[in-house]
Amino acid sequence: AQKVTQAQTEISVVEKEDVTLDCVYETRDTTYYLFWYKQPPSGELVFLIRRNSFDEQNEISGRYSWNFQKSTSSFNFTITASQVVDSAVYFCALSDNFNKFYFGSGTKLNVKP
Amino acid sequence: KAGVTQTPRYLIKTRGQQVTLSCSPISGHRSVSWYQQTPGQGLQFLFEYFSETQRNKGNFPGRFSGRQFSNSRSEMNVSTLELGDSALYLCASSQTSGSQETQYFGPGTRLLVL
Repeated sequence: AQKVTQAQTEISVVEKEDVTLDCVYETRDTTYYLFWYKQPPSGELVFLIRRNSFDEQNEISGRYSWNFQKSTSSFNFTITASQVVDSAVYFCALSDNFNKFYFGSGTKLNVKP
Repeated sequence: KAGVTQTPRYLIKTRGQQVTLSCSPISGHRSVSWYQQTPGQGLQFLFEYFSETQRNKGNFPGRFSGRQFSNSRSEMNVSTLELGDSALYLCASSQTSGSQETQYFGPGTRLLVL
């Protein structure tokens, strides 16, 4: 069965600190996709990144970076020099061969000024 | 390009009533998926529609149903509402149906059942 685990329920940091959000997944599929979404207080999920199971290259986009490691089934997300606007709930998700999405329980990030 | 829109944004119903939620996908997107988000259960997949056909279904009772129209707009219906149906209902659209597709979410409809 597919499963996505985000063990960190809530993280609080002070602005400009770096923070890493952990995501561990379980799947028996060889082809799958991993996603990160941000959910600000307004409620709408905002797409951040998609990564397929064959591409383990890390990615950097501005202050955001993602580390995908198949060996540990992890897809971690790092925010460098966090800002108050980064405060939100972040979800990691997995899409399987049957096009079903499985979301983690989310990590609430509080960035304090 | 306009994003995914959902109407209404807020709803208050009483137990036993039924409700219909609407979702308009991004122009050109043909797949629409529905999710229920609650504090206790998190984000749970309800169903996916593609080209007016239900492609996938999550583990929800038959009281939850949906449909998709030829213009890709989708509706979700919940009959005989229960208190536990109070949730944020999110709709997501993607260009086609497939695990590689990125889903883009709407703002959600917040349903409160009294």
